[in-house]
Amino acid sequence: QKEVEQNSGPLSVPEGAIASLNCTYSDRVSQSFFWYRQYSGKSPELIMSIYSNGDKEDGRFTAQLNKASQYVSLLIRDSQPSDSATYLCAVRGPNFGNEKLTFGTGTRLTIIP
Amino acid sequence: DGGITQSPKYLFRKEGQNVTLSCEQNLNHDAMYWYRQDPGQGLRLIYYSQIVNDFQKGDIAEGYSVSREKKESFPLTVTSAQKNPTAFYLCASRRSPSQRSGANVLTFGAGSRLTVL
Repeated sequence: QKEVEQNSGPLSVPEGAIASLNCTYSDRVSQSFFWYRQYSGKSPELIMSIYSNGDKEDGRFTAQLNKASQYVSLLIRDSQPSDSATYLCAVRGPNFGNEKLTFGTGTRLTIIP
Repeated sequence: DGGITQSPKYLFRKEGQNVTLSCEQNLNHDAMYWYRQDPGQGLRLIYYSQIVNDFQKGDIAEGYSVSREKKESFPLTVTSAQKNPTAFYLCASRRSPSQRSGANVLTFGAGSRLTVL
């Protein structure tokens, strides 16, 4: 089982709709969870971080964390063409003295105008 | 402006050659990291360093070497022992837990794309 799993997509969503991205992780003691956006050929940029169960909202983005189910998701409301990118889920756990950030393979999102 | 500078952006290497990728940060971050990204495989940790003159292997350290002689600099050498070096290399940094808030945020450089001819 992969440590961090994401559906690779591509996920196609009409402009203005809600995009839902999902991520599961295997290490139950993981403590910190992140969503990065990566445009083609560019480096990842942080979109959201979440550390406790529940929802965290920032503008059009909402991160949801359920530690019991080992599940973290990212919702993008009012999707825009500029949201088309690969979204990477990352998890920080106890390995390497809590320094290691493990990434999923990413979900490619396409917003259709 | 503070940030992470990686160079070169593109690099071509002949088989059997060593190459060094530069990473410099002016964010006053203690910790620095090197990741490798291949298509469909996400980011994999090569090496990381939490303080000057100290570094640890990540998941795929074989065929790579690093140094951390200055807080600002964490160069990565891709040696001839790395059998499949063609990839996108990303340097990152973050504040250590002993520094102020934002300790968990990883900041990336623009990346270096290495191609073996």
